[in-house]
Amino acid sequence: QKEVEQDPGPLSVPEGAIVSLNCTYSNSAFQYFMWYRQYSRKGPELLMYTYSSGNKEDGRFTAQVDKSSKYISLFIRDSQPSDSATYLCAMRRQTNAGKSTFGDGTTLTVKP
Amino acid sequence: KAGVTQTPRYLIKTRGQQVTLSCSPISGHRSVSWYQQTPGQGLQFLFEYFSETQRNKGNFPGRFSGRQFSNSRSEMNVSTLELGDSALYLCASSSPIGTSGRQGNEQFFGPGTRLTVL
Repeated sequence: QKEVEQDPGPLSVPEGAIVSLNCTYSNSAFQYFMWYRQYSRKGPELLMYTYSSGNKEDGRFTAQVDKSSKYISLFIRDSQPSDSATYLCAMRRQTNAGKSTFGDGTTLTVKP
Repeated sequence: KAGVTQTPRYLIKTRGQQVTLSCSPISGHRSVSWYQQTPGQGLQFLFEYFSETQRNKGNFPGRFSGRQFSNSRSEMNVSTLELGDSALYLCASSSPIGTSGRQGNEQFFGPGTRLTVL
């Protein structure tokens, strides 16, 4: 079983929809939780970075972390065609600063 | 501030050859991590270097190695290439910013080197 499981998708939504992307994990030592966006043939781009449990909002993006359930989510409001990409969740332990464990990614398509 | 740069962007090699990939981190970042991305396995951690020392290592065979120079630039080497080594190799840099006892360490990725082994 993988340490990080991500809803596989693919996901296709109409423009303006609210998108929910989710990951579960098994390692309770994970303290930092990230969401990356990756466009085709590009490197991952850091979207959200959260320490421990709670919510974090940045524009149309909201990240939620529930450590008691080992569950993290990314919500995208008012989705745009430019949001079409693969979204990767990632997490790491406090002591393993440079080593992140990634989900397999969810490919999102936002249709105009 | 310039981002993480990786060279070359594309490489084609044949089985048995070796290859060296280069990564220049964001200015001021001292940690460089390498990842392999394939459709079947996703993003897999290879190793991390900090201040010229390997600090973490993933579960890859010894054919995969790396090093870091005093200016924080890093190289990774793959010897005796196999078909299964075809992948996007990504480099990420981070800076250990400590606030209230917590580390920052957001990782920023380069565009990757796409390696094809024939």
